Amino acid sequence: GAGVSQSPSNKVTEKGKDVELRCDPISGHTALYWYRQRLGQGLEFLIYFQGNSAPDKSGLPSDRFSAERTGESVSTLTIQRTQQEDSAVYLCASSLWAGISGEAFFGQGTRLTVV
Amino acid sequence: SQELEQSPQSLIVQEGKNLTINCTSSKTLYGLYWYKQKYGEGLIFLMMLQKGGEEKSHEKITAKLDEKKQQSSLHITASQPSHAGIYLCGADSSGAGSYQLTFGKGTKLSVIP
Repeated sequence: GAGVSQSPSNKVTEKGKDVELRCDPISGHTALYWYRQRLGQGLEFLIYFQGNSAPDKSGLPSDRFSAERTGESVSTLTIQRTQQEDSAVYLCASSLWAGISGEAFFGQGTRLTVV
Repeated sequence: SQELEQSPQSLIVQEGKNLTINCTSSKTLYGLYWYKQKYGEGLIFLMMLQKGGEEKSHEKITAKLDEKKQQSSLHITASQPSHAGIYLCGADSSGAGSYQLTFGKGTKLSVIP
């Protein structure tokens, strides 16, 4: 596609349920990033992929969060046993390679609400 | 960890007026990025600054980087309703070409016709 696509755009889930957020990066972009934006706060870096590998997972808030990427394309961010503090907009971005993260293209985000 | 402080947090201006948004870093800036966020459109990359004193322009938006002050300013000339949105600054956390950006909390700009 022409841009980074995220789905769903909105997700409301009950506390304790698992959710999966999907990101389709721009074709040919080897680097993919996940960020989180909670209300009133700046963007938080979660994880990035170079190809299908995630060299640094230290940004993930807890072990309930995991992410994978296959075929150097689609990535899925999974949150298990969701908590209310997980409510946020989750943004995905991609760039040609990891060294130019500042020039990444962002998706529209998935607004997650945990009730 | 690096922190970015943006000011003001929100701004309401009359169409046609000029305005400035500031972004100050708690640490050395290796690269400073400006984005615009509109609801439902994700983040749009505006420009990147890397060298002290560097100034870049995109249409009516100009950004400058002051390395000594660890600060960048975004200036909009003759604002228009299309400029409305949230402006975010982001910075390399560990060095040029870092994979990880730290962002400010954003400045919400409203332009009154």
